[in-house]
Amino acid sequence: QVQLQESGPGLVKPSQTLSLTCTVSGGSISSGGYYWSWIRQHPGKGLEWIGYIYYSGSTYYNPSLKSRVTISVDTSKNQFSLKLSSVTAADTAVYYCAREAPTPSFFDPWGQGTLVTVSS
Amino acid sequence: EIVLTQSPATLSLSPGERATLSCRASQSVSSYLAWYQQKPGQAPRLLIYDASNRATGIPARFSGSGSGTDFTLTISSLEPEDFAVYYCQQRSNWPPEVTFGQGTRLEIK
Repeated sequence: QVQLQESGPGLVKPSQTLSLTCTVSGGSISSGGYYWSWIRQHPGKGLEWIGYIYYSGSTYYNPSLKSRVTISVDTSKNQFSLKLSSVTAADTAVYYCAREAPTPSFFDPWGQGTLVTVSS
Repeated sequence: EIVLTQSPATLSLSPGERATLSCRASQSVSSYLAWYQQKPGQAPRLLIYDASNRATGIPARFSGSGSGTDFTLTISSLEPEDFAVYYCQQRSNWPPEVTFGQGTRLEIK
C-alpha cells in the first residue's frame, strides 16, 4: 500500500526557509488521480491545510500562507516538497504530508509527521 | 472559506456508551465530508469519507451521516481505544480550499 514519509530539518532559524520533502512508496505520484498535500498542526492545536500539488505541477495554496509557500514535485524521485519562507515561531508545528482523493475529498494515507521548531 | 464547527468541544463518556459528534458547515458541502481520528503522537486516521462511507479497516461501530450543512459521527459502543480527538474536513468546489473543524476531544468519564 502507499506510504508517505516526511524528511527535513527539525530546527529552523527565524526568517529562514523551512524545507521538507515527502517520499512516496508503494505507488507512483505520476499515476495521477490524487492531490499530494501538506498539512500542519501547531502544538496542541487543530489541523491546518497548507496546500497541494498535482503530478502535473499544478498547485493550490491556503490563502493565509500563499505568499510564503511553494510546493513542488519530483516525479523521477517520487517525492514532493514544501518550502515555507520567512518563518517565525508561529510556524513551529508538526508537518504532515498526505495523499488527497479530490472528489469526494479525503486524506489517506498520511505520513507520520515531523516536528519543525523555529528558534534561534 | 467554508467554516466547519464541531460540537461539543469535549465529550466525556464511559466505555460501552454511545458517542454522537457533530460537524456543521457554514454553507452546503453536499456529502463531501470526511472524519478523522487522532491519538496523541500519531497522524490523523481516516474514518469516514463522503459523509457515510467507512474507510478500509474501520470497525462497524463507527458510522457517519448527514448532508448539506449538518453531519454526525456516531460511535455505537465505545471501546477504550476510541478515546481520542476527532476532526471533520471538507474541500470546497471553488476555490478548492480544504478546511478542518476545530476537533472534538472524546475523553473517558
